[in-house]
Amino acid sequence: QSALTQPPSVSGSPGQSVTISCTGTSSDIGTYNRVSWYQQSPGTAPKLMIYEVSNRPSGVPDRFSGSKSGNTASLTISGLQAEDEADYYCCSYTNIDTWVFGGGTKLTVL
Amino acid sequence: QLQLQESGPGLVKPSETLSLTCAVSGGSISSGGYYWGWIRQPPGKGLEWIGSIYYTGRAFYNPSLKSRLTISVDTSKNQFSLTLNSVTAADTAVYYCARPLGGGGKYHYWGQGILVTVSS
Repeated sequence: QSALTQPPSVSGSPGQSVTISCTGTSSDIGTYNRVSWYQQSPGTAPKLMIYEVSNRPSGVPDRFSGSKSGNTASLTISGLQAEDEADYYCCSYTNIDTWVFGGGTKLTVL
Repeated sequence: QLQLQESGPGLVKPSETLSLTCAVSGGSISSGGYYWGWIRQPPGKGLEWIGSIYYTGRAFYNPSLKSRLTISVDTSKNQFSLTLNSVTAADTAVYYCARPLGGGGKYHYWGQGILVTVSS
């Protein structure tokens, strides 16, 4: 299985919105609504931000939202804050009963 | 509050076997409903899903690791384990154990991670 494709980096100014894309195939994102997104700050374990494409776990701000179209999922962060600076990873279920992560995107808040 | 804690050697020699255990507290593995997972992250690189296991012992593995990998569960000790054979430097990583919100994937609870270095 191949890793999902994410842009290596994105950036935005405080208050702006940024979107991170995650492209897979019909064997994963294109078929299953089981896409999740994780936020990871240096030296810490990943934190679940979005699951099943667009659901937020309790405690995650509604500034974080997820969507999917075809083989591509997206994470949008609105009202960008300095504390959002981190690495973000997407993850999808696959047709061989496994999970695959994206390569990760580094978000810089300017 | 559910807590997971990885344990095992921090240094393994090439061609030998890497063995890690994830101890679970604040919840019972045998209560069912979750596929407990292992995820790793090489230094400076991205996350890689290793595999997951149900309390019954049913396991799923990353195809790229399947020939060297065994994930097992010990409900009496409330822990699950990972064994990776014939390791190389490419297996050097922080290894995390995790539990999803429900079912599989969507990992919500994570251990702190343990760095395993493969070196002679």
